[in-house]
Amino acid sequence: GNSVTQMEGPVTLSEEAFLTINCTYTATGYPSLFWYVQYPGEGLQLLLKATKADDKGSNKGFEATYRKETTSFHLEKGSVQVSDSAVYFCALSEGSGANSKLTFGKGITLSVRP
Amino acid sequence: AAGVIQSPRHLIKEKRETATLKCYPIPRHDTVYWYQQGPGQDPQFLISFYEKMQSDKGSIPDRFSAQQFSDYHSELNMSSLELGDSALYFCASSLGLGYTEAFFGQGTRLTVV
Repeated sequence: GNSVTQMEGPVTLSEEAFLTINCTYTATGYPSLFWYVQYPGEGLQLLLKATKADDKGSNKGFEATYRKETTSFHLEKGSVQVSDSAVYFCALSEGSGANSKLTFGKGITLSVRP
Repeated sequence: AAGVIQSPRHLIKEKRETATLKCYPIPRHDTVYWYQQGPGQDPQFLISFYEKMQSDKGSIPDRFSAQQFSDYHSELNMSSLELGDSALYFCASSLGLGYTEAFFGQGTRLTVV
């Protein structure tokens, strides 16, 4: 079956530090890949996505590239802010339409210090 | 822009009681998904509906049932509640057939005491 593996957390960084959160996946076909962010007490928000190999998703300074050869979708940001403190989930979706349920990784908590 | 609306936002129930969670998808979205997120856990897929028919089923207990109505809103019914059902329940909606991006509601936090 499908699975998503995220690096162990939590991660604590100082403001303006470089961020990398690793994500690898296992899937039988050609999934779409996503990063979701969950702020304290809030729901899940889509941060970025990529639907095919070599696609790069980007949003709010975050980037992730769909690497089929390494089955990875690592999240990066060049300079984090305190407001980026949240839980980050890597996820995949295989199929389309009604069969597009998401399989999530365990999530990682990011804390950014001023 | 309209988002996915879930109600109630918070719910406290006693063991063995019944709870009903509601989800109103984004207008024109025809697919609804339900997820359960336990404390400190990743969201787990429960069930989905497309055009009012169940389309996929995940790790949903037999005590739970769900349906999607003619106006596309969905309800998750949970009976004989157990302490372990305490979790954040998310609903997500998407456009079916070729669209894979799901938009999530803010969730309903269910506490079973």
